Amino acid sequence: GAVVSQHPSWVICKSGTSVKIECRSLDFQATTMFWYRQFPKQSLMLMATSNEGSKATYEQGVEKDKFLINHASLTLSTLTVTSAHPEDSSFYICSARDPRGPRDTQYFGPGTRLTVL
Amino acid sequence: GQQLNQSPQSMFIQEGEDVSMNCTSSSIFNTWLWYKQDPGEGPVLLIALYKAGELTSNGRLTAQFGITRKDSFLNISASIPSDVGIYFCAGQSIYNQGGKLIFGQGTELSVKP
Repeated sequence: GAVVSQHPSWVICKSGTSVKIECRSLDFQATTMFWYRQFPKQSLMLMATSNEGSKATYEQGVEKDKFLINHASLTLSTLTVTSAHPEDSSFYICSARDPRGPRDTQYFGPGTRLTVL
Repeated sequence: GQQLNQSPQSMFIQEGEDVSMNCTSSSIFNTWLWYKQDPGEGPVLLIALYKAGELTSNGRLTAQFGITRKDSFLNISASIPSDVGIYFCAGQSIYNQGGKLIFGQGTELSVKP
């Protein structure tokens, strides 16, 4: 299957700082990527859809000014958590649609564990 | 947001036993996907289904797209310890645009050697 990477795999930061997470499609070009958030023992919750060359589409209840998404190239989307607070601590996972394959199939990155102190 | 109804929530089985889990939705889906997630990792795609009635296997795993298009099941035969993890169903509703997936709550599988 298609390969998606994320960096960093984990990050610890102080409250009030900003953190950037990268999501890359390694062997295909992804016009659409997705960002999810997952709390312990819970399912994945979609935060936003990232479209190359245009603004991200955020799900209801997700603050777009707090979670900045940039999809500047066909292989890279970034999520920046601005002014992070302890309640933003979570597991952030990106996924990408592989246009070479059947519709709707998303391949996930390994996730980024964010801990805000 | 909308979620699929996935059951059971957890299973504790003996190595060698077969496992079955399923997902149901109140709306019609045109895609069903099954993922496995290990602790601290991202979900890994196991099986993808695109047509009502479709039955697909991947090794010891078999999944089916229900003919009503509102459900799907995943079977694991002859379970082994490395099958331990959380299994998620996911699908795209015909009313959902943009390729967004809806996820089930997950089934946590424990296998006793």
